[in-house]
Amino acid sequence: SQQGEEDPQALSIQEGENATMNCSYKTSINNLQWYRQNSGRGLVHLILIRSNEREKHSGRLRVTLDTSKKSSSLLITASRAADTASYFCATGYNYGQNFVFGPGTRLSVLP
Amino acid sequence: AAGVIQSPRHLIKEKRETATLKCYPIPRHDTVYWYQQGPGQDPQFLISFYEKMQSDKGSIPDRFSAQQFSDYHSELNMSSLELGDSALYFCASSGERASTDTQYFGPGTRLTVL
Repeated sequence: SQQGEEDPQALSIQEGENATMNCSYKTSINNLQWYRQNSGRGLVHLILIRSNEREKHSGRLRVTLDTSKKSSSLLITASRAADTASYFCATGYNYGQNFVFGPGTRLSVLP
Repeated sequence: AAGVIQSPRHLIKEKRETATLKCYPIPRHDTVYWYQQGPGQDPQFLISFYEKMQSDKGSIPDRFSAQQFSDYHSELNMSSLELGDSALYFCASSGERASTDTQYFGPGTRLTVL
């Protein structure tokens, strides 16, 4: 399957620091989305970036997409303890089709 | 704003029993997706429906079936449950294909098979 892969798999930082998570995928995509999941809870949509976009911002989040390298990064600036969660990238290939999720990055923000 | 609703939120079953999970998409969303997330795993796609027709199929076991009804809600039926079926089951919905591709996830149903 065309699975996204995220690195690092676990990341621990202090409050106020920036956190960067990366995602790679194998084939051409239509869009890439980032989701957050608190332990055992639902997936919360963070941001969508389309294949013809290179960068998007939403609040403290910044997502980049490099289709030539088949990779994306999620930057969370000025992290807070409440940002502690798992972050997944999900790639979409065609409208209306299922997402393929990467294994996720477990982010711990220490107070 | 209305979100995706899933019921029940928690379900405990014995091996070989059956279970039915329900999903109510965001109003006016016509596409529903089902995902399974095992402990410590990433979500895996099971099946999706668009306008009440199956649109895509992933790693859904033959023991499972699903359908989307005329009011766009969907049900995932699981029979002959096995211990390995214990997982979080997420439903997601998305709007009309031409307008948006974002999938909005429900809170999930946690199924425990004993």
